[in-house]
Amino acid sequence: RKEVEQDPGPFNVPEGATVAFNCTYSNSASQSFFWYRQDCRKEPKLLMSVYSSGNEDGRFTAQLNRASQYISLLIRDSKLSDSATYLCVVADTGGFKTIFGAGTRLFVKA
Amino acid sequence: DGGITQSPKYLFRKEGQNVTLSCEQNLNHDAMYWYRQDPGQGLRLIYYSQIVNDFQKGDIAEGYSVSREKKESFPLTVTSAQKNPTAFYLCASSWRLAGVSTDTQYFGPGTRLTVL
Repeated sequence: RKEVEQDPGPFNVPEGATVAFNCTYSNSASQSFFWYRQDCRKEPKLLMSVYSSGNEDGRFTAQLNRASQYISLLIRDSKLSDSATYLCVVADTGGFKTIFGAGTRLFVKA
Repeated sequence: DGGITQSPKYLFRKEGQNVTLSCEQNLNHDAMYWYRQDPGQGLRLIYYSQIVNDFQKGDIAEGYSVSREKKESFPLTVTSAQKNPTAFYLCASSWRLAGVSTDTQYFGPGTRLTVL
């Protein structure tokens, strides 16, 4: 089992749609959670940190379920500019270990 | 402007040659990292460094070497021992080691290495 697993995608959605990304992680000791966005042939950029209480930033909402070891990202009212790969990232506490998921590619079409 | 720079953007190497990828940051971050990304795969950690003159192997360190002589610089050498070096290499930095705090990693623009 991979340490961080994401939906394989790709997701193809029309503009205005709501799209949900799912991610599961295997290490229950994980403490820090993030969603990164990566455009084609570019570096990943932080989209959101994910907190236990859930957090929202405009059209983006992130949720964490520690009991199920599950993280989600919801994008509402999709824009063409949201087209990218979304990476789920999990980091452990104590020593160092940050694991990146393989990413889910999103295509938003007019 | 603060940020992370990597050079070169594209690099071509003949088999059997060592090459060094540059990574510089002016964010005053303590921790720096090197990752490798292959098509359709997530980032894999090669090496990381928490402080100057200290670095640790990541998951795929074989065939790579690093140094951390200055806080702002963390060069990566891809040696001839690396069997499949063609990939996208990403350098990152953070205030502290990810996992110890919620500090996030910030990435440079990457170097695309192709072995001919």
